[in-house]
Amino acid sequence: GGIITQTPKFLIGQEGQKLTLKCQQNFNHDTMYWYRQDSGKGLRLIYYSITENDLQKGDLSEGYDASREKKSSFSLTVTSAQKNEMAVFLCASSSRQDNNQAPLFGEGTRLSVL
Amino acid sequence: GDSVTQTEGLVTLTEGLPVMLNCTYQSTYSPFLFWYVQHLNEAPKLLLKSFTDNKRPEHQGFHATLHKSSSSFHLQKSSAQLSDSALYYCASNTNKVVFGTGTRLQVLP
Repeated sequence: GGIITQTPKFLIGQEGQKLTLKCQQNFNHDTMYWYRQDSGKGLRLIYYSITENDLQKGDLSEGYDASREKKSSFSLTVTSAQKNEMAVFLCASSSRQDNNQAPLFGEGTRLSVL
Repeated sequence: GDSVTQTEGLVTLTEGLPVMLNCTYQSTYSPFLFWYVQHLNEAPKLLLKSFTDNKRPEHQGFHATLHKSSSSFHLQKSSAQLSDSALYYCASNTNKVVFGTGTRLQVLP
């Protein structure tokens, strides 16, 4: 079976630091997503990508960069970590050809900024 | 663009009572609809999805009916359990997945 792997699971950073989160999937899915989730809140779309080297901004793209170097991987960079920031970053992927296939999520990266 | 609306941020009810969480959508095309459940400190997981042939999907006692006339896909369960307490998301998919803002269901003893 397939899997979506997010690394690292936990990330502790310093204020102003540039931090990179990685996501890999082996479903051969075309579309990949990055969401941010603050404690007790809903999902907010940061970036998504419909194919290799494609990037589309979501509602929350400011302060982030993303990179889709190959079909199976999608990276997210926090360009300058904010003091006391705490959130979970969730990666998801879905098939573009088959819209009745539900997007699948990785287990998340939990970010804390000191 | 496409959108999904979940009007309730929090639904609190007593164990054993029926559950209904609202979901409406706007789309130029006929999207597929999904419900996800997210328990504390876990990733969202698919609960159920719409079918193309008007069948009613069911899972873990939950069901949802796609009504194209009202653009709705409300989630229902006849009797809530304490373990149903979680965050529930409705989502649509045409070429891009769009999530609603989520509804927190709190089931009390």
